[in-house]
Amino acid sequence: NAGVTQTPKFRVLKTGQSMTLLCAQDMNHEYMYWYRQDPGMGLRLIHYSVGEGTTAKGEVPDGYNVSRLKKQNFLLGLESAAPSQTSVYFCASTSWDTRTDTQYFGPGTRLTVL
Amino acid sequence: EDKVVQSPLSLVVHEGDTVTLNCSYEVTNFRSLLWYKQEKKAPTFLFMLTSSGIEKKSGRLSSILDKKELSSILNITATQTGDSAIYLCASTGANSKLTFGKGITLSVRP
Repeated sequence: NAGVTQTPKFRVLKTGQSMTLLCAQDMNHEYMYWYRQDPGMGLRLIHYSVGEGTTAKGEVPDGYNVSRLKKQNFLLGLESAAPSQTSVYFCASTSWDTRTDTQYFGPGTRLTVL
Repeated sequence: EDKVVQSPLSLVVHEGDTVTLNCSYEVTNFRSLLWYKQEKKAPTFLFMLTSSGIEKKSGRLSSILDKKELSSILNITATQTGDSAIYLCASTGANSKLTFGKGITLSVRP
């Protein structure tokens, strides 16, 4: 039982390049989330998903796209990276069935855009 | 728009001190209030408080939810250097969507 995993752990991009961050969870959770964390800003929600095939915008969605083709995976895409997207990205998941509201976080991806 | 505010933003104490961290929330369809501890990695869960569970305790840490004042506190007694971290407060609203505060940076000096 690996919990929530994220790949890659680190990445450096040049402005304008694209990339996809992968989040995977093996807890059969319905809900998955992508956050970014910047110094002094706490965690800000980018996009989230309430189930396979569904996605919704969070607080800071611009410049990002997501897909949830399989229940266990939630992908975050950057089509044309900008220096303002330099951040640490966390994926999280939670179960709707148990209604615990506790979100389990992945280890994070540190992204630098030059 | 949902909002969570934490105070103070940073705090420096000495080992053995007791600290109180504050969190206030304005969330539509409030369901729960969560506290996380974050060291140099992903946040780890501490407590969840709801209408049916307004007080939680684990060792030297305890937390209370004040539904009337829309706030919560996290208390840490007999602080240790290992308590140094960022403490995040979050509130759950519709669709289990969490709104986080900016976090409180706690530094415990030997």
